[in-house]
Amino acid sequence: GAGVSQSPSNKVTEKGKDVELRCDPISGHTALYWYRQRLGQGLEFLIYFQGNSAPDKSGLPSDRFSAERTGESVSTLTIQRTQQEDSAVYLCASSWNARRGTGELFFGEGSRLTVL
Amino acid sequence: AQSVTQPDIHITVSEGASLELRCNYSYGATPYLFWYVQSPGQGLQLLLKYFSGDTLVQVIKGFEAEFKRSQSSFNLRKPSVHWSDAAEYFCAVSFNDYKLSFGAGTTVTVRA
Repeated sequence: GAGVSQSPSNKVTEKGKDVELRCDPISGHTALYWYRQRLGQGLEFLIYFQGNSAPDKSGLPSDRFSAERTGESVSTLTIQRTQQEDSAVYLCASSWNARRGTGELFFGEGSRLTVL
Repeated sequence: AQSVTQPDIHITVSEGASLELRCNYSYGATPYLFWYVQSPGQGLQLLLKYFSGDTLVQVIKGFEAEFKRSQSSFNLRKPSVHWSDAAEYFCAVSFNDYKLSFGAGTTVTVRA
């Protein structure tokens, strides 16, 4: 597709289970971001990938959170031993090389995670 | 710490009336400034951006934004809203155009 694709769109899980969220960026975009949006709050930066550079993981809230990206393609955000406070919409975005680009991020529609 | 404040959580406006969405940031220098919009069922989309130069950002879809350095503000305005403008609007800032910091968003409801 032409846009950023995320799956699943909705995920309900039980506390303590692991979840994987997938992001397929726009072809040719070298930069990929994960953000988290809790109800009534702004977007919270989680992690940033740029080409083959080491990712910026400074926003990951705990060691239960991890993300991988294969080259300049798909990324997976994994949350282990989910907690109720992990309930949120997880947004993925991609862009051209951010250091030379316009700062415009293209967002997916998000994956809504509910932890019971 | 870097922060972006959108003081209004929810604004209701009549169709045809004017709209102003406020955004304030706290940084030491002038950042890159953005407004994103999230319409129901759609992902966030860039509406406006400001990097440097004129304080009034070009009009897009009838929207304009004014950067005021003295007030550390980047308010979004539209003279006459349409029902299709109902959405959530996010202000965002960046120093190096790679990591954006977002405000909490303002939900705009348009009544007939």
